[in-house]
Amino acid sequence: GAGVSQTPSNKVTEKGKYVELRCDPISGHTALYWYRQSLGQGPEFLIYFQGTGAADDSGLPNDRFFAVRPEGSVSTLKIQRTERGDSAVYLCASSSTGLADNEQFFGPGTRLTVL
Amino acid sequence: SQKIEQNSEALNIQEGKTATLTCNYTNYSPAYLQWYRQDPGRGPVFLLLIRENEKEKRKERLKVTLDTTLKQSLFHITASQPADSATYLCALGGDSSYKLIFGSGTRLLVRP
Repeated sequence: GAGVSQTPSNKVTEKGKYVELRCDPISGHTALYWYRQSLGQGPEFLIYFQGTGAADDSGLPNDRFFAVRPEGSVSTLKIQRTERGDSAVYLCASSSTGLADNEQFFGPGTRLTVL
Repeated sequence: SQKIEQNSEALNIQEGKTATLTCNYTNYSPAYLQWYRQDPGRGPVFLLLIRENEKEKRKERLKVTLDTTLKQSLFHITASQPADSATYLCALGGDSSYKLIFGSGTRLLVRP
């Protein structure tokens, strides 16, 4: 079956621009997560959705970052006024249940480059 | 603050040997610990989970141990193969928290 997909795979933008990154989770998965991974580092948690609501957004670095999941499936991570420091790979993951220790399935990521 | 340490130097071993990777953590008492594999340009792939009350878990050639006194998990790959070459990440989670805290990963290179 289809795994987690993310679009675009690569995004190059200029400092100050707005970007949207999309995540399509595995069908039926209620939990969705966004992470950010810099070169040589592990993924860093950004936000977690259970259904349509953001259950934990404690990892969002500042108010330029926002994420939505309006119908409880596809999610969009939005970054306003991008900065060079936002350059990283943005990973999305989903899991099937609401159990905290449940296996997370990751997408391939979107590589964001801010010039 | 919570800290997870994985050896930043690559582990280089001969095919057929056992690879052992280490994950140490401080200022945290996780309810569980997960190990993931990550290949270049790909997202992490889940391998194994071990809970705080477990000492050891196995899956085929993989074994994970957890010592909550030492605050350390060891990840073993027996009879290693070149295809096992990848970065291995450990991640900690709590009972009531869905977010995973990842280490920076250790790169494993298995020479044919």
